[in-house]
Formats: sequence, structure tokens, C-alpha cells
Amino acid sequence: DADVTQTPRNRITKTGKRIMLECSQTKGHDRMYWYRQDPGLGLRLIYYSFDVKDINKGEISDGYSVSRQAQAKFSLSLESAIPNQTALYFCATSFSRGTDTQYFGPGTRLTVL
Amino acid sequence: AQTVTQSQPEMSVQEAETVTLSCTYDTSESDYYLFWYKQPPSRQMILVIRQEAYKQQNATENRFSVNFQKAAKSFSLKISDSQLGDAAMYFCAYRRGNFGNEKLTFGTGTRLTIIP
Repeated sequence: DADVTQTPRNRITKTGKRIMLECSQTKGHDRMYWYRQDPGLGLRLIYYSFDVKDINKGEISDGYSVSRQAQAKFSLSLESAIPNQTALYFCATSFSRGTDTQYFGPGTRLTVL
Repeated sequence: AQTVTQSQPEMSVQEAETVTLSCTYDTSESDYYLFWYKQPPSRQMILVIRQEAYKQQNATENRFSVNFQKAAKSFSLKISDSQLGDAAMYFCAYRRGNFGNEKLTFGTGTRLTIIP
């Protein structure tokens, strides 16, 4: 089984809809992250969480919110999706007491029409 | 702000040959980490190699090695004995070493094609 899983893997939605992307991990890591990948721009950080009670904005948090339901679960929400949020979304995890290297999930491709 | 530049949007190499992907970065920090990630068509981001800035020795992982030039702020990836499975997008990434700052800054990627 994969250490970091994301659901759904693909999603098509309409402008104005609320969307939730979910991330779960079995690595036992304490830190979790959400990134967005656009063509030609690499990955950019949306939100990150050091533990269940510690959530921080990244460089492009506008239009997004997150919830850390448990150490192993970190969800990303788009309250009212817009077309320029069409992108590939990645969840990542890291362990603060290890090398702190970030390991990524398989990604969710989101299309907003 | 830290920036990461990958100046080669695309590269190609013959199978079994060696290829080097370039990466430069800009930072005023002395404590940081550098990474190469691979993204094959499956789109999974896979860690290839990691380098701590305080280590002078270049990191190696099997056929993958880096040439870390701290003064020049250069971090190139060498792939030896290229294989078809190496075909992917390769991203260089930077992270400050300070506690509490875990943001990865990525370059725009290099698409590597392996020619059979």
C-alpha cells in the first residue's frame, strides 16, 4: 500500500462548487503539506501543518482552506472553485525528527469548468 | 526570497549514456538543503537525491549523483547509464535549514527524454 494517498485522483467540477481533496498517510510523519502544480511554474506551497493544532499559510493560500483532522489526515478545501484553480494538487509529508525530507502523494488532477 | 532556476526546459540522452541536468539557486542563507525530485508520466513526485549544504561531499544514490558547488550556488544532477525508466520531469528544490521553515521552493523543471 502507498504511504501517502490522495482522494480523488481526478475531479472535474463547476465554477462555484465546494470541493474537498483528502490526504492520508501511514508514514507516521507529523508534518503535512499541500502544493499546487501548474504547467511551467513548478510546485507552490498552499498550506502546511506541523501537527494537528498547528496550521500555516503558504505562498498561495487565498481561495483555499485546510483541516488537519488527525495526525494522519490533512484535507484541502476550495470553498467556491474558480477556473484558475485548475491544477495538479499534491500532498506531502515529512518527519521533524528525521531528515525532514518531504515525500509526496500521487496527486489529484482538478479541473474547474 | 529564495529562487531556483532550471535553465534547460528539455534534455535528451541516448540510453546507457550520461546526462547532466543543471540547477542554480539564489539564497543568502548558509544552512539549507537541496533536492532533486523526479516526476514520471504517472505524475508521482519521487525523491531522487538530497544534499545538505554543510556537507562538502557530493551526494550519490546508485546511478544518480550531484555536483554541489556552494560558492557558485549550483546543484547539478548527473545520471549515469541512462535507462528508459529515467524518462521524466526532473525538479530541483531548495529548503532553508532553519527550524520552522519547511517550505520547498521548486524550479520549473527539466523534461528528460531517453532515446533507445
